[in-house]
Amino acid sequence: RKEVEQDPGPFNVPEGATVAFNCTYSNSASQSFFWYRQDCRKEPKLLMSVYSSGNEDGRFTAQLNRASQYISLLIRDSKLSDSATYLCVVTGGSYIPTFGRGTSLIVHP
Amino acid sequence: DAGVIQSPRHEVTEMGQEVTLRCKPISGHDYLFWYRQTMMRGLELLIYFNNNVPIDDSGMPEDRFSAKMPNASFSTLKIQPSEPRDSAVYFCASSSGTGSNTIYFGEGSWLTVV
Repeated sequence: RKEVEQDPGPFNVPEGATVAFNCTYSNSASQSFFWYRQDCRKEPKLLMSVYSSGNEDGRFTAQLNRASQYISLLIRDSKLSDSATYLCVVTGGSYIPTFGRGTSLIVHP
Repeated sequence: DAGVIQSPRHEVTEMGQEVTLRCKPISGHDYLFWYRQTMMRGLELLIYFNNNVPIDDSGMPEDRFSAKMPNASFSTLKIQPSEPRDSAVYFCASSSGTGSNTIYFGEGSWLTVV
């Protein structure tokens, strides 16, 4: 089993739709969780951290389920500009992040 | 504040040539990472340093790859000799290693070996 697994997609959704991605991780001792966004031919950039209590940033909501070892990202009211690859990142006690392969999102008019 | 700075941004070289990629991490960050990204394999961690010391190089593909960090503000990734299968984007990243663990990437070095 891979350390961090994501559905590669692509998720193809119309503008205004709500879309959700899940990411599973194998190390139950993982401590920190993040979602990164990577645009085509660009570097990954931090989208948001994921806290145990869940957190929201505008149209984006991230949640953590430690019992089932997955994190999720929900995007409401999708915009064309949300089209990107979303990378799940998990960090253990060593501070070394492990990246998933990413989930591709395409938002169309 | 300046982010992670990488050079060159793009390089095209012939098979067998030496390639040197350079990175300047964010000032004050104790961790530096070298990643390689390809369509086939995604983002792979090659090596990382903590306080300029290489900690884990298990991701380095083979002896043709080497990395150094002579001081806190500079690191190099060298490929000698280069091969076409080394063609990829090489990202350098840094983090403070504190509770937030946020990792910041440079813009990447796009390498093509022909």
